[in-house]
Amino acid sequence: EIVLTQSPGTLSLSPGERATLSCRASQSVSSSYFGWYQQRPGQSPRLLIYAASSRATGIPDRFSGSGSGTDFTLTISRLEPEDFAVYYCHQYGTSPLTFGGGTKVEIK
Amino acid sequence: QVQLVQSGPEVKKPGASVKLSCKASGYTFSKYYIYWVRQTPGQGLEWLGVINPSANSTSYPQKLLDRVTMTSDTSTSTVYMYLSGLRSDDTAVYYCARAGSPNSGATQFDSWGQGSLVTVSS
Repeated sequence: EIVLTQSPGTLSLSPGERATLSCRASQSVSSSYFGWYQQRPGQSPRLLIYAASSRATGIPDRFSGSGSGTDFTLTISRLEPEDFAVYYCHQYGTSPLTFGGGTKVEIK
Repeated sequence: QVQLVQSGPEVKKPGASVKLSCKASGYTFSKYYIYWVRQTPGQGLEWLGVINPSANSTSYPQKLLDRVTMTSDTSTSTVYMYLSGLRSDDTAVYYCARAGSPNSGATQFDSWGQGSLVTVSS
């Protein structure tokens, strides 16, 4: 099973700041099968990024994904109030499909 | 627009079974695989399996092979997940999600249902 480890667990930032979230895989993951989701309190997860760097439909360009192999990054260039949420990485190329434990982005 | 509407909350006793539904609309049901994922406070997000609605073919993680079954009904565009031998650690919110690409089981999840809370308690 591919274990995805996200860091930091919590990120305390102010609106307008840049957020950098990391996800490390226990073995190499094809970039074609790696994504990120956002989950706001009381809501279902929402797809942000797929294939490591492609934004999903309707996702603003302040969200960007990068990385390959075992190290992937989600960057939010300027935090808006609605971006304070929990973010999960996900690999969907190898069974069992797995998710990271999440990074909470909170208001400082 | 794509919509996945799930069945309501369930309360079950240990050892019982539960059947959840996920009704799809807004797209061609048979062309997109449906996944099931659950979320617990302690364990985060866990993948439970995937079904190809047109063929009723499935894939499950090894740890749930003997407890989970997924089926589809193309006449009502509905997918079902059946989980047996419930334990307290099965208490979670269960989500269905649609594949992001047609006719593919290795793809991101582009739309999610609202979730169904299952509580297992004696």
